[in-house]
Amino acid sequence: QQPVQSPQAVILREGEDAVINCSSSKALYSVHWYRQKHGEAPIFLMILLKGGEQKGHDKISASFNEKKQQSSLYLTASQLSYSGTYFCGTEAAGNQFYFGTGTSLTVIP
Amino acid sequence: DVKVTQSSRYLVKRTGEKVFLECVQDMDHENMFWYRQDPGLGLRLIYFSYDVKMKEKGDIPEGYSVSREKKERFSLILESASTNQTSMYLCASSLLDRESPFSGANVLTFGAGSRLTVL
Repeated sequence: QQPVQSPQAVILREGEDAVINCSSSKALYSVHWYRQKHGEAPIFLMILLKGGEQKGHDKISASFNEKKQQSSLYLTASQLSYSGTYFCGTEAAGNQFYFGTGTSLTVIP
Repeated sequence: DVKVTQSSRYLVKRTGEKVFLECVQDMDHENMFWYRQDPGLGLRLIYFSYDVKMKEKGDIPEGYSVSREKKERFSLILESASTNQTSMYLCASSLLDRESPFSGANVLTFGAGSRLTVL
């Protein structure tokens, strides 16, 4: 039931853009995105609650295609502080909450 | 500031030992979760609980059990630790929105993690 993320890892130079994809084999009620820095707890970035919904936070935004059971996270003009592992999370029936396989993002100067 | 506290950041145990990982939250959250995190595999759900004394299996419950005697505390138990249980364990909690249980609006708050090494 775990969503699959791609790519598994990406290295960017400051100012470059990146897209992280999240796909589920099950119908999605919602998609969450979290970021985890090395040695720290994952922290919440954003939720997408409706099919087709797009949200943005600073230069990080996300879309949710309910029909395709997919979500994508867009990082624009990346900064060093964007480095970390990004996880998508999906909610299934019965309050179960599943996270994806993770994408390691490294931004270099 | 809301918190999820995991009792041990680092543990080293021997094969066959019984291991307790404790998690306490101070946010009056109904839902609590235990995940294990391994490179390339992301966060995998072991067990979760949506109420005191209630528990549900996640994707990888084998070799684990849980206990939730009080709302704020959710314990993960390894009855007989094995080397393949060496991992980072993360506890999380969230509110249960009874009006819209599947709204997905319930953000998870994580603890800092417990890194378990089984020798």
